[in-house]
Amino acid sequence: EAEVAQSPRYKITEKSQAVAFWCDPISGHATLYWYRQILGQGPELLVQFQDESVVDDSQLPKDRFSAERLKGVDSTLKIQPAELGDSAMYLCASSLLGREAFFGQGTRLTVV
Amino acid sequence: GESVGLHLPTLSVQEGDNSIINCAYSNSASDYFIWYKQESGKGPQFIIDIRSNMDKRQGQRVTVLLNKTVKHLSLQIAATQPGDSAVYFCAENGDTGNQFYFGTGTSLTVIP
Repeated sequence: EAEVAQSPRYKITEKSQAVAFWCDPISGHATLYWYRQILGQGPELLVQFQDESVVDDSQLPKDRFSAERLKGVDSTLKIQPAELGDSAMYLCASSLLGREAFFGQGTRLTVV
Repeated sequence: GESVGLHLPTLSVQEGDNSIINCAYSNSASDYFIWYKQESGKGPQFIIDIRSNMDKRQGQRVTVLLNKTVKHLSLQIAATQPGDSAVYFCAENGDTGNQFYFGTGTSLTVIP
């Protein structure tokens, strides 16, 4: 069964360091999302791509976060510098346009 | 952002009973709704979806009801099993039609 792949599963980093997460969506899914989920809350959208283009990054803290999907397939989300408040689960999802989003297992980030 | 909320943050049911999880959404422009199940440490898993031209949709042991008049969704799980224990989120697609906004979630515990 096709699935969204994310790595790493867990990441511990010191504050002020840089960290990056990788996502490989389901093959053929042009839409890719990055969400952040704080413990006990629902996922919140950070950025949405359609192919290689950013559709919406209005909720992405652009002073420290960046996202790219250069070839319209896999994607990288970066945080530099990481802050304590960035500790969360970072989820990647993909979909066909207008259809349900399928999520990866996420990357659990802990900033110390 | 959108406002999608759940009436009950926690729900406990006996194994074999039926479960009902409720969700209120705020954006009348939303025309597509999804229920996700999230187990601890994992990404959200698609359960069932419904479009606004329907008021009921059934899957395997699950039924989603949509009341557009009062902007309310519910997820019914028949013969609840211990494996159903998880957090359940409803999500709506909002104004753009291709983004998903999540509520806080309801934690379902099935008592053997």
